[in-house]
Amino acid sequence: SQQGEEDPQALSIQEGENATMNCSYKTSINNLQWYRQNSGRGLVHLILIRSNEREKHSGRLRVTLDTSKKSSSLLITASRAADTASYFCATAPVSGGYNKLIFGAGTRLAVHP
Amino acid sequence: EAGVVQSPRYKIIEKKQPVAFWCNPISGHNTLYWYLQNLGQGPELLIRYENEEAVDDSQLPKDRFSAERLKGVDSTLKIQPAELGDSAVYLCASSSTDSYNEQFFGPGTRLTVL
Repeated sequence: SQQGEEDPQALSIQEGENATMNCSYKTSINNLQWYRQNSGRGLVHLILIRSNEREKHSGRLRVTLDTSKKSSSLLITASRAADTASYFCATAPVSGGYNKLIFGAGTRLAVHP
Repeated sequence: EAGVVQSPRYKIIEKKQPVAFWCNPISGHNTLYWYLQNLGQGPELLIRYENEEAVDDSQLPKDRFSAERLKGVDSTLKIQPAELGDSAVYLCASSSTDSYNEQFFGPGTRLTVL
């Protein structure tokens, strides 16, 4: 079963624009992580936000977490063609300890030159 | 530092045949995961090892799937017999207690069952 649900399922933008992806989840979490997957490749960890954090930045990435709404968003600023990939949110449920992650179905981002 | 290594990268078999996937995690990572990823979906956990102990195998279809992690390092995932619905990408990942459960993924094995 997949706890996280990403929205939108697919997103198409032009280079230089910002891309925002949202994730909703169902149960209490220890942390939430975002991963990127390029076509035919494994997943790459992007950023982790703990349940007691509300916002985190890493380069062109900005992640927010609202535990009251059980939702998170990933913002990629000034997007590049190389950002074209699928993006997955993954939650670490409190019930699963720190080593369990549940992935959503992902948002497919296409950035056009 | 070498990443998670998986082999083979691609495998095509006929239904009812057996198949095995191999994973070598990052050195020093005590937690190893096997995931199944269907097209257009996120990874779904099959089994998680802490060293050589399988601590979460609730999603592993035990009638046909088996896994082992001898000596707490490399791991093998086996399907016997394979069914058409097993066609998917099988991902291996590893993590360490130092990385706050950030998982490092291998490139996966794409299985096609004909």
